Amino acid sequence: GENVEQHPSTLSVQEGDSAVIKCTYSDSASNYFPWYKQELGKRPQLIIDIRSNVGEKKDQRIAVTLNKTAKHFSLHITETQPEDSAVYFCAASISYGQNFVFGPGTRLSVLP
Amino acid sequence: DAGITQSPRHKVTETGTPVTLRCHQTENHRYMYWYRQDPGHGLRLIHYSYGVKDTDKGEVSDGYSVSRSKTEDFLLTLESATSSQTSVYFCAISLGTGAYEQYFGPGTRLTVT
Repeated sequence: GENVEQHPSTLSVQEGDSAVIKCTYSDSASNYFPWYKQELGKRPQLIIDIRSNVGEKKDQRIAVTLNKTAKHFSLHITETQPEDSAVYFCAASISYGQNFVFGPGTRLSVLP
Repeated sequence: DAGITQSPRHKVTETGTPVTLRCHQTENHRYMYWYRQDPGHGLRLIHYSYGVKDTDKGEVSDGYSVSRSKTEDFLLTLESATSSQTSVYFCAISLGTGAYEQYFGPGTRLTVT
């Protein structure tokens, strides 16, 4: 089955700097890659996603890139702010409505 | 929040007792999911449903059962709770046709003593 690895497990950046989180997946049939942000004690919230027919997607300060050949995808956050501090999860999915496989998460701390 | 609620939000129970968690949605979504979240493991799928009375197992289904007798309700039952089932449980839904996104409920923190 699918396996998703995520690095780093923790990341500290200065406010205003960029943060990059990387995920790799094992199943080349995966075609949907969402990213979730989870604040302490809250539910995971979808922040951006990408499908396999697209190489990059941006939404204001966040972007996701996908390299299907290498089977990895990355989350990029620019101009980080303290409110970006949270745990971020990547996931990979093969087919609609079926099984998401999540990475173990990255704890991002944005230092003022 | 995609109209998802979970009950109870917190529960403490003893080893060996049955426990049922409820997920309720108000927007008639076909797909519903139960995940558990543990430190270092991210979110792991327990069971999912693709319609009334249609369910299937996920990655960590041992010791859990589910039922969906109505579109809006998806129940997760721990038949005989064990300490290893202490976790935070999240329900999720998928939006309509053509959409892949999953949206999560607020979670239930379950402690088995």
